[in-house]
Parts: sequence; C-alpha cells; structure tokens
Amino acid sequence: DSGVTQTPKHLITATGQRVTLRCSPRSGDLSVYWYQQSLDQGLQFLIQYYNGEERAKGNILERFSAQQFPDLHSELNLSSLELGDSALYFCASSVPTGGLSSYNEQFFGPGTRLTVL
Amino acid sequence: AQKITQTQPGMFVQEKEAVTLDCTYDTSDQSYGLFWYKQPSSGEMIFLIYQGSYDEQNATEGRYSLNFQKARKSANLVISASQLGDSAMYFCAMREGRGSSNTGKLIFGQGTTLQVKP
Repeated sequence: DSGVTQTPKHLITATGQRVTLRCSPRSGDLSVYWYQQSLDQGLQFLIQYYNGEERAKGNILERFSAQQFPDLHSELNLSSLELGDSALYFCASSVPTGGLSSYNEQFFGPGTRLTVL
Repeated sequence: AQKITQTQPGMFVQEKEAVTLDCTYDTSDQSYGLFWYKQPSSGEMIFLIYQGSYDEQNATEGRYSLNFQKARKSANLVISASQLGDSAMYFCAMREGRGSSNTGKLIFGQGTTLQVKP
C-alpha cells in the first residue's frame, strides 16, 4: 500500500458526460501528479499541483481540469468525454520538489479505470 | 526533448535466471533521475529502483540492480534470480532537473512485459 488513495476504482460512463476522479496523497506530501495510461499513448503526465497551486502541465486536454484543495487532496475533472478518454488514471504524490537532489520517489495510487461507452 | 526508449515489448525468462530489461534515454540536462516501476496485472505502479545522474555507483535494491552507463545514456534494469511473481510490465522513467527547475514530472517509456516461466 503506497498510502495514496484514489476513488472510484472503476468508472463506467457514456460519451459526452462529465466525471470527477479523486486523489488523496500520502500524509505530508505536498505534490500531486496526475497521469493517464492508455493503450495508444502509454503513460503520460497530465498535470502537477504543489501545495494547492498548479506547478506543471503536460499533455492535458482542455476538456480536462484539476485542482488541489487546502487539505491537499486533488480532483481531476474530465468533461465532454469521448471514447478515447477510456484509460487508467493514476494519481501520484511525493515529498516537496525543489530540493537539492533530483530524487523524489513518486508514490502511485491504485488508479481509476475509466471506461467511456 | 527528453525521451525514454524501451525497445523490448516482451521478454521471457526462466525462473531463477537473471534478466536484463533495456532502457535508453535522451536528455540535454546534466541533472536527472532515472526510475524503474513495476506494474503487475492488477494495475498498480510499484517503485523498484532509482539512479541519479551524479551517482557514481550503480543502484541496487535486493534482487534489482540498475546498470547505469551514462555515456551511452542507458539505464538497464537487471533482475536476478527471477521469480514467478516478477511477471509484470516494467517501466523506465526519467525526471529532469534539480532545485527550483525540478517539477518532478516523470517521462515514461513504453514498457516491457516480462513473463517468468516455471
């Protein structure tokens, strides 16, 4: 158990719908990362939040948005869903970045498997 | 641009034998970190081992070791004494940067599926 929790574990929805994926980082971790794993694109970085603020953005679609709340949990919102959005969505957390070392192990949650029908 | 390449889509190894999973990377940064993760069929991502670009010695963690060849930009994972439970997808990943420039995001390779035969 990595200490990172994600809900729900599975989500089945229809095209055009909107869903929210939730992530709670490990206690004390300030950084939250979202990744998408699909057969087509592999594992891709979507977005990072650090202590409530957006820190880095990857290949995240405009239909997707995220936020990190004061209690450090994060939500990834996916709207106007398309079949191609079906994927495994991971949240990861780590200790604060910006330290002297480039080492910051990221602890991954179990993922949310999204199926868009 | 930073890139991770894993050229072996699938590998087989006999139980109790050693296996090497290949990973090459491309970066213009002098400071970076290399990671290996294991993803079993259940889907979770399990951290295995880390190598920093300035680390002089190859990283080891139990049965896992990382064969780091900086000049060749390769970071191969070696699993010794393979076990049936090692059957999984393995991902090599890189993080660039140090200090304030380090956002921490990981760039992943396409993965290698390892099957351990009894």
